[in-house]
Amino acid sequence: DAGVIQSPRHEVTEMGQEVTLRCKPISGHDYLFWYRQTMMRGLELLIYFNNNVPIDDSGMPEDRFSAKMPNASFSTLKIQPSEPRDSAVYFCASSLDGRETEAFFGQGTRLTVV
Amino acid sequence: GQQVMQIPQYQHVQEGEDFTTYCNSSTTLSNIQWYKQRPGGHPVFLIQLVKSGEVKKQKRLTFQFGEAKKNSSLHITATQTTDVGTYFCALRSGGGADGLTFGKGTHLIIQP
Repeated sequence: DAGVIQSPRHEVTEMGQEVTLRCKPISGHDYLFWYRQTMMRGLELLIYFNNNVPIDDSGMPEDRFSAKMPNASFSTLKIQPSEPRDSAVYFCASSLDGRETEAFFGQGTRLTVV
Repeated sequence: GQQVMQIPQYQHVQEGEDFTTYCNSSTTLSNIQWYKQRPGGHPVFLIQLVKSGEVKKQKRLTFQFGEAKKNSSLHITATQTTDVGTYFCALRSGGGADGLTFGKGTHLIIQP
């Protein structure tokens, strides 16, 4: 398996534009996590899915952020409209099950909003 | 959900010195995981601890889980430049939820 695949690796966009980040989890993994990493706030859990169903989105900063998982092999994180403070590295991770298995991370998407 | 405090935030050591990072929780943890993130990279799983008082070793790395399952530590003996990075502890949210939340991490800086 190629691991967790995220695209794009880098994204530069203007404030107010819509941004869509994409993730392909490892095949067979039931859990998918979206994280945001900044120097100030560290690695924040935004939302996670179990079997394509969103379980906890309490970490999503505000209504400008939305995430979907239409099937077991694809998830998106959308920011609309984007703001400069959204600049961060966004990671997607997946794990086989819920409690006692490791999470595998993608390479991340570095988002810069100017 | 459960939260964990990780200290120190930064640690500068001379190459060859030892290094330790600590995670502390106010509540009992079912398990704890440790990850390493190299500069510019992504977090990579190191180990999971489940049992009270558990100690696991990976070469120069020693991981401990406290007897009360409220704290954990990672100790590196004789650091090398390849140990540079950020070390995170992580735990499941608990209360029936399975979100994996991370501590703030300890940035290890090694001076040759």
